[in-house]
Amino acid sequence: SAVISQKPSRDICQRGTSLTIQCQVDSQVTMMFWYRQQPGQSLTLIATANQGSEATYESGFVIDKFPISRPNLTFSTLTVSNMSPEDSSIYLCSVVGGEAFFGQGTRLTVV
Amino acid sequence: GIQVEQSPPDLILQEGANSTLRCNFSDSVNNLQWFHQNPWGQLINLFYIPSGTKQNGRLSATTVATERYSLLYISSSQTTDSGVYFCAGRETDKLIFGTGTRLQVFP
Repeated sequence: SAVISQKPSRDICQRGTSLTIQCQVDSQVTMMFWYRQQPGQSLTLIATANQGSEATYESGFVIDKFPISRPNLTFSTLTVSNMSPEDSSIYLCSVVGGEAFFGQGTRLTVV
Repeated sequence: GIQVEQSPPDLILQEGANSTLRCNFSDSVNNLQWFHQNPWGQLINLFYIPSGTKQNGRLSATTVATERYSLLYISSSQTTDSGVYFCAGRETDKLIFGTGTRLQVFP
């Protein structure tokens, strides 16, 4: 199993600002995944973060809006840029080793 | 087409009742998992069940991979079982989620 520490757990931000979410894993992993869960919806994959290369984004998500860093095999950040109220969601990071494990999630409210 | 589909979308139970949640998945999806999302948004791993049957207390799950479905059984439900239940399967490296079943258990 993997233990993922994600922070912040929640935040309230002003529109037009940016928020960086951090995830720390207790073991080295090749890929880390970032998901968004809009209110009342299921989870949608934003991007896959590989160490040493650019992240791979899913359709509908772009690097300018959701820049991702992956400086080493245990850490990744997701930034939500130039936020609007539509970005209010839960953001989760994940790792997969057979079974998938998730961080605690970041509940973001944009006002 | 839909890759991971869950039913029912909503379920209301009285405490003590039993329930069955279903997850259908397409040929491209494997390595089924079940999660419970608590009111704070945290995803709790329930079962990693690519095939076969597993039990953990009042919960059990069965996946019939050849027929592309999985079932989650909750027996003697409690109010703490309330929340959203997701199944998810892997397509290559990605985890594809179903739309979830929202369970409400009343005393």
